[in-house]
Amino acid sequence: DQQVKQNSPSLSVQEGRISILNCDYTNSMFDYFLWYKKYPAEGPTFLISISSIKDKNEDGRFTVFLNKSAKHLSLHIVPSQPGDSAVYFCAASARGNTGKLIFGQGTTLQVKP
Amino acid sequence: NAGVTQTPKFQVLKTGQSMTLQCAQDMNHEYMSWYRQDPGMGLRLIHYSVGAGITDQGEVPNGYNVSRSTTEDFPLRLLSAAPSQTSVYFCASSRDTDTQYFGPGTRLTVL
Repeated sequence: DQQVKQNSPSLSVQEGRISILNCDYTNSMFDYFLWYKKYPAEGPTFLISISSIKDKNEDGRFTVFLNKSAKHLSLHIVPSQPGDSAVYFCAASARGNTGKLIFGQGTTLQVKP
Repeated sequence: NAGVTQTPKFQVLKTGQSMTLQCAQDMNHEYMSWYRQDPGMGLRLIHYSVGAGITDQGEVPNGYNVSRSTTEDFPLRLLSAAPSQTSVYFCASSRDTDTQYFGPGTRLTVL
């Protein structure tokens, strides 16, 4: 049972445009959500997070939106740059279970120059 | 700080062999975790620890053992390797769930 789902395996956008990556979850106990970015042959690196008490969190070009009623979150990258090309994972946790992140399958983003 | 280090980077085993994947962190983080990454499956949690002497199972613990005798180290043991354990293994650490810092990974092939 996949508790965190990223239904789009890949996404291709033009440099300068917006990239929108989506993530759905099923477990209503999740109250903290994170996005990680991964380049080939490297470990994932933390990008941005959001607590369930918020519906939006912004950090530079990256914004995460959370819709709790729909159990859906999205990552917006504006403007997209070629260096953003990577695999993006969303992850979720129930904060009583610290250290236990549940990841989605990942979405490969390609930003074309 | 070196962050999270993992050794070895690559390993090839024969079915039935045992080995230990090493993970160390120098950030004094209480929480450490092991994940495996398989194509189309994302990262799946194998085992995790919330402090020295305390470990618990994740989503896919079968075939793996862990122990946490110090804050810094969290080794993952494969008791009898199977081809299904061919994967890329990542270790991570954090102060809490807010931000997990990942190591560079160990690519394991079991023949």
